[in-house]
Amino acid sequence: DQQVKQNSPSLSVQEGRISILNCDYTNSMFDYFLWYKKYPAEGPTFLISISSIKDKNEDGRFTVFLNKSAKHLSLHIVPSQPGDSAVYFCAATPFTGGGNKLTFGTGTQLKVEL
Amino acid sequence: DAGVTQSPTHLIKTRGQQVTLRCSPKSGHDTVSWYQQALGQGPQFIFQYYEEEERQRGNFPDRFSGHQFPNYSSELNVNALLLGDSALYLCASSLTPGVRIKNIQYFGAGTRLSVL
Repeated sequence: DQQVKQNSPSLSVQEGRISILNCDYTNSMFDYFLWYKKYPAEGPTFLISISSIKDKNEDGRFTVFLNKSAKHLSLHIVPSQPGDSAVYFCAATPFTGGGNKLTFGTGTQLKVEL
Repeated sequence: DAGVTQSPTHLIKTRGQQVTLRCSPKSGHDTVSWYQQALGQGPQFIFQYYEEEERQRGNFPDRFSGHQFPNYSSELNVNALLLGDSALYLCASSLTPGVRIKNIQYFGAGTRLSVL
């Protein structure tokens, strides 16, 4: 049972435009959500997180939106840069803070084109 | 400040063999989690160690076991290897769960295990 779903395996965006990556979850016990990005031959790198008590968190070019009623979150990257090309994983945990068991989605490959 | 380091980088084994993977956590971290990432999938949680004990476990058989040492480093052992164990094994370190509101897991580059 896939509790965290990323239904778009890939996304292609032009440099300077907005990238929107989506994630859906089914477990209502999830309390904390994270986005990681992964380059080939490297481990996942933490990008941004959000607690279930918020609906938006912003960090520079990255914003995460959480819609608890729809069990949906999205990551917005504005403006997109070629260096953002990577696989992006959505992750969730029922424990506040992100230090416990994470359940990951299958990832979305983002390609930012010149 | 060294991040999470894992060894070896790559490993080739045959079915039925046993393997040990190693992980050193980021400086200041005392908790280590292990994940398995199969091709085309997201990482799947195997287990988590802190205070030298297994605290949480995912849906993996007993062939997967681990250990944490007093210096917080950790090992993942897999016995009786199956073809399906071929994957990237990721180690992540963090602070003691529950200590603070934001407690991010930092990942190593992983060990690529191929079982022939």
